[in-house]
Amino acid sequence: QKEVEQDPGPLSVPEGAIVSLNCTYSNSAFQYFMWYRQYSRKGPELLMYTYSSGNKEDGRFTAQVDKSSKYISLFIRDSQPSDSATYLCAPNTNAGKSTFGDGTTLTVKP
Amino acid sequence: DSGVTQTPKHLITATGQRVTLRCSPRSGDLSVYWYQQSLDQGLQFLIQYYNGEERAKGNILERFSAQQFPDLHSELNLSSLELGDSALYFCASQSAGDSPLHFGNGTRLTVT
Repeated sequence: QKEVEQDPGPLSVPEGAIVSLNCTYSNSAFQYFMWYRQYSRKGPELLMYTYSSGNKEDGRFTAQVDKSSKYISLFIRDSQPSDSATYLCAPNTNAGKSTFGDGTTLTVKP
Repeated sequence: DSGVTQTPKHLITATGQRVTLRCSPRSGDLSVYWYQQSLDQGLQFLIQYYNGEERAKGNILERFSAQQFPDLHSELNLSSLELGDSALYFCASQSAGDSPLHFGNGTRLTVT
């Protein structure tokens, strides 16, 4: 079993939709939780970073962490075609090692 | 711009050959990570260096090796290349253990 399981997708939504991207993890040592966005043929870029259970909001993006159930979510409101990318969840231990999910590819259609 | 520079951007070589990929981390970052991403696959962790020393190893093949130099740039050496080694190779740097990774735009390796 992988340490991080991510909803495989692909996901296709109309512009303006609310998108929910989800991951589960098994390692209790994960303390920090990142979401990265990767456009085709580019390096992943950090989108959200949180270290506690609860919600963190940044513009149209909300990261949600539930440590008790080991569940991580990323919500995108009012999705735009420019949000079309692969989204990677990456929980991290205190030692600095990130473990990446396999990614969910999102397409937002105009 | 993440501040992480990878060269070359593209590399085409033949089976059995050896190549070297180079990474310059963000200014001040001591940790460098190498990842492999094959077509439609996730990021596979290869190896981590911290201030010149190997810190962690992932599923790195024995044909692959890496090092980090005193100026903190890192090189990933891939030898006896096989068709299956064709992939995107990413370098990432990190300032501290609880900090996110900052990725370069990768080197696309094609083995023919």
